[in-house]
Amino acid sequence: AQSVAQPEDQVNVAEGNPLTVKCTYSVSGNPYLFWYVQYPNRGLQFLLKYITGDNLVKGSYGFEAEFNKSQTSFHLKKPSALVSDSALYFCAVFPSNTGNQFYFGTGTSLTVIP
Amino acid sequence: DADVTQTPRNRITKTGKRIMLECSQTKGHDRMYWYRQDPGLGLRLIYYSFDVKDINKGEISDGYSVSRQAQAKFSLSLESAIPNQTALYFCATSGLGSLYNEQFFGPGTRLTVL
Repeated sequence: AQSVAQPEDQVNVAEGNPLTVKCTYSVSGNPYLFWYVQYPNRGLQFLLKYITGDNLVKGSYGFEAEFNKSQTSFHLKKPSALVSDSALYFCAVFPSNTGNQFYFGTGTSLTVIP
Repeated sequence: DADVTQTPRNRITKTGKRIMLECSQTKGHDRMYWYRQDPGLGLRLIYYSFDVKDINKGEISDGYSVSRQAQAKFSLSLESAIPNQTALYFCATSGLGSLYNEQFFGPGTRLTVL
C-alpha cells in the first residue's frame, strides 16, 4: 500500500531559526514527492516537488526539500523561518509505477514564534 | 486560488438531505479531483476525472457521486448526508502532460451534517 507519514502534528520554531518539517513515504517503485502549504481558510498551494535528478529541490518562499532514498524521506526545510510561514504543511507522493493519484500525509502545523 | 472556485463555501445540512457541492475552474485543465480533509487524516481522494467522459472512484467514494458537466465544472453530491461526512471538501485541478503535475486547489467547502 502507498502511504505518507508526517510524524509531527505540530512544529514550533522561533523566528529566524531554521525549520524542518518531516516526511517519510512508502510506495512501490520510484516516488514523485511534493510539498503543499495550506494557510487558514485557503486551499492547498504547491511549494515544490521532486521527480528526478538532484536530491535537493528548491521551491517557493525560500523552502527546499531533500530526497533521501535510503531513508525514504523528503523533509521540508528553510534556513530562516518567518512568522508568515506559520501554516499547515502537507507532504504528498505519487507512485511512479502504479500511479494515477496522489497520497497525502496527515499534515504538520508549523508555528513560527516571533 | 481564484482560478478554482467552490460553492458554497460553508453549508450546514441535516442527516438524510441531498446536497451538491460545485467546483468551477478557469485554468483550462482537463483533470479534476474531489478530496475531503479531516483533522488527523489529511486529504483523501473521493473521485477524479481526467476528462468530461471519464469518472473514477477514489479511496473513499462510498456515499458520494460526481458529475462532470463540462471541462470546467465538476460537482460532488451526497445523496443522503450523514454526520460522518462532516468535513472540509476541496476541489483540485491539474493540467495536461504528466499525471503527477502539481494540483491547484479551490478554497474549500466546509460541510456540517447535523
